[in-house]
Amino acid sequence: QLHLQEWGPGLVKPSETLSLTCTVSGDSIGRSSYYWGWIRQPPGKGLEWIASIYYNGNTYYNPSLTSRVTISVDTSKNQFSLKVNSVTAADTAVYYCARHFAGGNFNWFDPWGQGSLVTVSS
Amino acid sequence: NFMLTQPHAVSESPGRTVTISCTRSSGSFASNYVQWYQQRPGSAPTTVIYENKERPSGVPDRFSGSIGSSSNSASLTISGLKTEDEADYYCQSYDSNNHLIVFGTGTKVTVL
Repeated sequence: QLHLQEWGPGLVKPSETLSLTCTVSGDSIGRSSYYWGWIRQPPGKGLEWIASIYYNGNTYYNPSLTSRVTISVDTSKNQFSLKVNSVTAADTAVYYCARHFAGGNFNWFDPWGQGSLVTVSS
Repeated sequence: NFMLTQPHAVSESPGRTVTISCTRSSGSFASNYVQWYQQRPGSAPTTVIYENKERPSGVPDRFSGSIGSSSNSASLTISGLKTEDEADYYCQSYDSNNHLIVFGTGTKVTVL
């Protein structure tokens, strides 16, 4: 059964870089035909897609975040990662990683990790 | 970029049926499918409908999805409501022109 787990610092200072990693178990990122994505949810608010990546490094980003965000993949560790630069309080959120089904007519996420709360505060 | 608009909240009694709408500001669900996610308090979202009307294994057939005749609206219907259905529900679709994935505003379902 596929399982995803996010991990990283729970507290980041303003203007610094937020870094998160998602470890995938139950499937091989390098041998699968899926994308892998990050989604975030500020406390009490809705969901926002951040970015997605394929095992070969092909990426796409939410245009509203692309200038501050980098997504990467390490197939040897079966992990993918997210970096968000120059964070502010508005980046405080629960960050989820998820398998991303991407095709001509469809784009959806399943399953999701349990989520990792990242707070931006000095 | 397009937006997906949902009612803020709906409520209904156990055993009844509730329908949640999702309206796309531009584009079509016929060419960019809609998904529906359930998010219980304190938990990650889970998929209840994908590709407009498909149900993942393990999701009861009380959950059904459809798109409207104009293809810019979608609905999630939950029949035979149970207290366990009380959650936030989000629709989600894609903008193929801008390679943008968008989530709806979310609907809180309360089972009275």
